[in-house]
Amino acid sequence: AQTVTQSQPEMSVQEAETVTLSCTYDTSESDYYLFWYKQPPSRQMILVIRQEAYKQQNATENRFSVNFQKAAKSFSLKISDSQLGDAAMYFCAYRSGSNSGGGADGLTFGKGTHLIIQP
Amino acid sequence: NAGVMQNPRHLVRRRGQEARLRCSPMKGHSHVYWYRQLPEEGLKFMVYLQKENIIDESGMPKERFSAEFPKEGPSILRIQQVVRGDSAAYFCASSPAGWSSRPSYEQFFGPGTRLTVL
Repeated sequence: AQTVTQSQPEMSVQEAETVTLSCTYDTSESDYYLFWYKQPPSRQMILVIRQEAYKQQNATENRFSVNFQKAAKSFSLKISDSQLGDAAMYFCAYRSGSNSGGGADGLTFGKGTHLIIQP
Repeated sequence: NAGVMQNPRHLVRRRGQEARLRCSPMKGHSHVYWYRQLPEEGLKFMVYLQKENIIDESGMPKERFSAEFPKEGPSILRIQQVVRGDSAAYFCASSPAGWSSRPSYEQFFGPGTRLTVL
């Protein structure tokens, strides 16, 4: 079974600064997808960024970018120019690239990192 | 295009009662996923359904929990004889297609239903 580990329960950053949230995962598969979701106090899950394992290029979405290290099974999220609206829980998630059932169809989430933005 | 709808947003039940959680997927989406989020935890996959079919229920507790996605109407997650440990936020997600139609792999989440068992 795949596992996702987020080792930072909480991170704090000054507004306008850059912060990196870490995520590692364990899998024996070679085909999979990785995601970062944001959960603000409203608890709505919002997709921030995704990465296909077969792509070597790191995904970027405006101020959000990832550092995907497939060999190390690491998938960190970098937020540049942090804004107050970025304050939220951030979850790293894994999805298998095969439809073999046994939970492969669902996302496997880490426990999350609580990001605090200091004004 | 309305997003994934869940109702109720908050549900309070006494131990032993039944809880019914509803999820209407995004328009055009035929795949629904249910997740449970316990306090201070990430979301845990429960079940994956297509219209009238349960595809993967490997994350569902063996007893008291059931899910359906009928041909007409919303998907329902049903919890019978609730216990305090069932208190959690339950999220539904939908996608337009499954694995046979990659890359339609993104799941769009609803706002969740917070279940409190007294």
